[in-house]
Amino acid sequence: GENVEQHPSTLSVQEGDSAVIKCTYSDSASNYFPWYKQELGKRPQLIIDIRSNVGEKKDQRIAVTLNKTAKHFSLHITETQPEDSAVYFCAASKGGGNKLTFGTGTQLKVEL
Amino acid sequence: EPEVTQTPSHQVTQMGQEVILRCVPISNHLYFYWYRQILGQKVEFLVSFYNNEISEKSEIFDDQFSVERPDGSNFTLKIRSTKLEDSAMYFCASIQTWSYGYTFGSGTRLTVV
Repeated sequence: GENVEQHPSTLSVQEGDSAVIKCTYSDSASNYFPWYKQELGKRPQLIIDIRSNVGEKKDQRIAVTLNKTAKHFSLHITETQPEDSAVYFCAASKGGGNKLTFGTGTQLKVEL
Repeated sequence: EPEVTQTPSHQVTQMGQEVILRCVPISNHLYFYWYRQILGQKVEFLVSFYNNEISEKSEIFDDQFSVERPDGSNFTLKIRSTKLEDSAMYFCASIQTWSYGYTFGSGTRLTVV
């Protein structure tokens, strides 16, 4: 089955810096790659997603890139703010109602 | 915006007891899921449900677990005889077949003592 690896497990940046989180997946049939932000005790919240027919997608300070050949995708957050501090999870799915397989999470801390 | 509703938000149960976690998916969604997250760990897939039957289940979803859609709106997860290691946050999710956007419920924190 699908296996999603995520790095780093923790990331500390200064406010205003950029943060990059990377994931790799194993199943070439996966075609949907969402990123979730999770605050302590809360549900995962979708922040951005990308499908395999697109190489890059941007939404304000957040962008995601996908390299299908290498089977990896990355989350980029620019101009980080303290409220960006949370755990971020990547995930992969084959779409069409198939399950999400999550990465192990990255604890992002944005320091003043 | 439509939401997936889960009850209860927190349940404490004795080891060996049965628990039922309840979810009300978004009304026009057709696929339903249960995921589990042990504290500090990743979100893990348990089971998916479509057209009134299980479409996929993980190794975690053993004979102690069952799912049901008893009345066309609720979607339940039953754990027959809880173990300490069942302590986790359980999330329900749903999706429309033609869309990729999974909607997660707010979760039920299950504590087995």
